[in-house]
Amino acid sequence: EPEVTQTPSHQVTQMGQEVILRCVPISNHLYFYWYRQILGQKVEFLVSFYNNEISEKSEIFDDQFSVERPDGSNFTLKIRSTKLEDSAMYFCASSEVRVNTGELFFGEGSRLTVL
Amino acid sequence: GDSVTQMEGPVTLSEEAFLTINCTYTATGYPSLFWYVQYPGEGLQLLLKATKADDKGSNKGFEATYRKETTSFHLEKGSVQVSDSAVYFCALGDNNAGNMLTFGGGTRLMVKP
Repeated sequence: EPEVTQTPSHQVTQMGQEVILRCVPISNHLYFYWYRQILGQKVEFLVSFYNNEISEKSEIFDDQFSVERPDGSNFTLKIRSTKLEDSAMYFCASSEVRVNTGELFFGEGSRLTVL
Repeated sequence: GDSVTQMEGPVTLSEEAFLTINCTYTATGYPSLFWYVQYPGEGLQLLLKATKADDKGSNKGFEATYRKETTSFHLEKGSVQVSDSAVYFCALGDNNAGNMLTFGGGTRLMVKP
């Protein structure tokens, strides 16, 4: 069964360092997303990506964040200068159609710990 | 803006007990409603969905009915199993808000043998 894969599963970094989280969405999907969940809090939308550009982003997705689909298979989330409050589980997801009519497929998540 | 509120957990039940997890929502448009489940060590996966008022979503013995009048989408199961232990997330997708899902905080269910 096709699945969304994420690497690394856990990353520990120092405040101010750059972090890149990687995702391989399901191959025939057209829409890609990043969500995050701070421990004990809600799953929050960060950004959606379609046709090689950002289609929506939340207030959380500020200038420190960027996404890229560099090679047609990977979908990356970069945090330029990490802050303590960026510590969270980051989920990549993909879908074949828009999410309000279809199904969102999630990866297992990448846990980011900022010290 | 859109929001989803679901009951806080953990919910602890004995095997074969009846389960209800409450979920209410606020949306500007006519959203689709979803329940996602996260088993230990795995990503979220779709459990069931309903796209319009009075629709009932069902899967693996779980059911939820889209109630527009009470803005609710409560999850129910008649007889839970130990294997149902997981975190359950209610979510809505509102086309007026863009191509994204808004999630509730999640409810952890623990089923004891």
